[in-house]
Amino acid sequence: GAVVSQHPSWVICKSGTSVKIECRSLDFQATTMFWYRQFPKQSLMLMATSNEGSKATYEQGVEKDKFLINHASLTLSTLTVTSAHPEDSSFYICSLRDREKNIQYFGAGTRLSVL
Amino acid sequence: KQEVTQIPAALSVPEGENLVLNCSFTDSAIYNLQWFRQDPGKGLTSLLLIQSSQREQTSGRLNASLDKSSGRSTLYIAASQPGDSATYLCAVDDYKLSFGAGTTVTVRA
Repeated sequence: GAVVSQHPSWVICKSGTSVKIECRSLDFQATTMFWYRQFPKQSLMLMATSNEGSKATYEQGVEKDKFLINHASLTLSTLTVTSAHPEDSSFYICSLRDREKNIQYFGAGTRLSVL
Repeated sequence: KQEVTQIPAALSVPEGENLVLNCSFTDSAIYNLQWFRQDPGKGLTSLLLIQSSQREQTSGRLNASLDKSSGRSTLYIAASQPGDSATYLCAVDDYKLSFGAGTTVTVRA
């Protein structure tokens, strides 16, 4: 069964609005969660790493004020794209790490289209 | 910083041929290496995971090898079928997953 639940799977929004994407761990307590972005015909690029109860660590070139990450509990992390613009249209995927097994599990992804 | 390279970028074969997909990485201090399949517009499907202590993993028609010392992994798909058409991604886990750009496979009926 699914280990990671990511919602919504697809969202269309107007330019300037904010969009929240949720990522839930179903089977274990995820102390570390990762957020990736994938542009068409490109590979996944890590955006940020979040640890439960602390601030996220962003990769170089990722605006932390634009992509707000909240890892409020061991089972939930959210990514909010603030004041979205068409260039933010992309496929966003979350991933949870099972530290005992050293394996990462992926959500099904969220396709964001900003008009 | 871990760099992951996949060769070739694209591959087109007739049905029934065996597929060989290559992945190389620069830092051998890894926990594991995973091969994923991604269909257009979809998320990732994990195919095989090779722990750093292992040399290969097999699942059905799929076999993946890992040579950590040379920084290489190869995914073999035997007797390819049109349903195998997809993009195959290699990801190296050194706590953060680093992905290759993928190999897009087309299997012609």
